[in-house]
Amino acid sequence: DGGITQSPKYLFRKEGQNVTLSCEQNLNHDAMYWYRQDPGQGLRLIYYSQIVNDFQKGDIAEGYSVSREKKESFPLTVTSAQKNPTAFYLCASTSQTGGNEKLFFGSGTQLSVL
Amino acid sequence: DQQVKQNSPSLSVQEGRISILNCDYTNSMFDYFLWYKKYPAEGPTFLISISSIKDKNEDGRFTVFLNKSAKHLSLHIVPSQPGDSAVYFCAASAGGSQGNLIFGKGTKLSVKP
Repeated sequence: DGGITQSPKYLFRKEGQNVTLSCEQNLNHDAMYWYRQDPGQGLRLIYYSQIVNDFQKGDIAEGYSVSREKKESFPLTVTSAQKNPTAFYLCASTSQTGGNEKLFFGSGTQLSVL
Repeated sequence: DQQVKQNSPSLSVQEGRISILNCDYTNSMFDYFLWYKKYPAEGPTFLISISSIKDKNEDGRFTVFLNKSAKHLSLHIVPSQPGDSAVYFCAASAGGSQGNLIFGKGTKLSVKP
């Protein structure tokens, strides 16, 4: 079945460590997104990519990095510069970048600091 | 400053009755609105959407109403079922760009048998 796969489901980060969250989609979607959800908060956009080898910062990009080398993959790295990384991270994709198409979300990765 | 506000963090409804979830927005450039449903430790799933050229959109038990003059939209679920218990997020975008979806903080709906 087509969908968005995020891994791992749970991830722990040590102080000063970079960690990478995986996001893969087989929906043939052009655009992919990373959101962060904190308890009692809405989803905030970290980075998005509308085409391979191109990406833009969202509202809270500081301390994060991304790459888009393949259409299917959009990994997110949480760097040591992100001082408050504990959150639920959601990857999403959509087929159109300029139309009113809904976002499809993965099942999320819960990142915690040891 | 929140552009999309869901002022009720939680709502409790009896099974079979109507659930009404509310959402207010401040940006008059928003022209597309969506509702997502989210279970714990899972990604949100799309529920229903409405364009600003309409004032109502219906899909089965779910209806979204848009009042542009009041910058207000609401989601009606009728009849409510225990499986509807989840967090509901309202989201809005301007200019059709999904990357610029602005989400509210969510309302936790509990439907009691």
